[in-house]
Amino acid sequence: KAGVTQTPRYLIKTRGQQVTLSCSPISGHRSVSWYQQTPGQGLQFLFEYFSETQRNKGNFPGRFSGRQFSNSRSEMNVSTLELGDSALYLCASSLGTSGYEQYFGPGTRLTVT
Amino acid sequence: AQSVTQPDIHITVSEGASLELRCNYSYGATPYLFWYVQSPGQGLQLLLKYFSGDTLVQGIKGFEAEFKRSQSSFNLRKPSVHWSDAAEYFCAVGAQRNDMRFGAGTRLTVKP
Repeated sequence: KAGVTQTPRYLIKTRGQQVTLSCSPISGHRSVSWYQQTPGQGLQFLFEYFSETQRNKGNFPGRFSGRQFSNSRSEMNVSTLELGDSALYLCASSLGTSGYEQYFGPGTRLTVT
Repeated sequence: AQSVTQPDIHITVSEGASLELRCNYSYGATPYLFWYVQSPGQGLQLLLKYFSGDTLVQGIKGFEAEFKRSQSSFNLRKPSVHWSDAAEYFCAVGAQRNDMRFGAGTRLTVKP
């Protein structure tokens, strides 16, 4: 089975712009979660989508949003970028049932200048 | 709410020596516990998981972890460390609906 894929792998944006990141889960996985990883804050949960519905949400401002398509692929959007949004954004997929492990993609490295 | 504490930010061990990485969790019920490893610039790879049953779980790459409910701990161990084990290790606790919380991570350096 192919693993979780994320595109693009690297991205440089300017403050005030918006960005969309994409994640393709493992075939058969219906849950996609997004995390932000920074040196200062570590791994922080952004949100989780299951069957096209947001099921869980972390403590991030409304500038961070996401969606999931019928094929389970997911996108994450960040509007009005700030310097502090520079981070590694990780996507993880799982079967979606409580307790099942998550499988992570390689991440998208976003740099905001 | 669940939380995870990894007390050691950085650990250095010699190649061939044993390793123990500490993890303490806080959760009201029986948690789902995980250890992940991350190499620089990469995503996270699952090493092992505990859901229920035998409290000593075996994982990939020769790692094992022991769940101790009385101590709220889930420490990761390896009897003999290899240079390729140098990475960052994350303990995580999961509850319902994939709401996972990660510890701050422990960076492992392996001396030759």
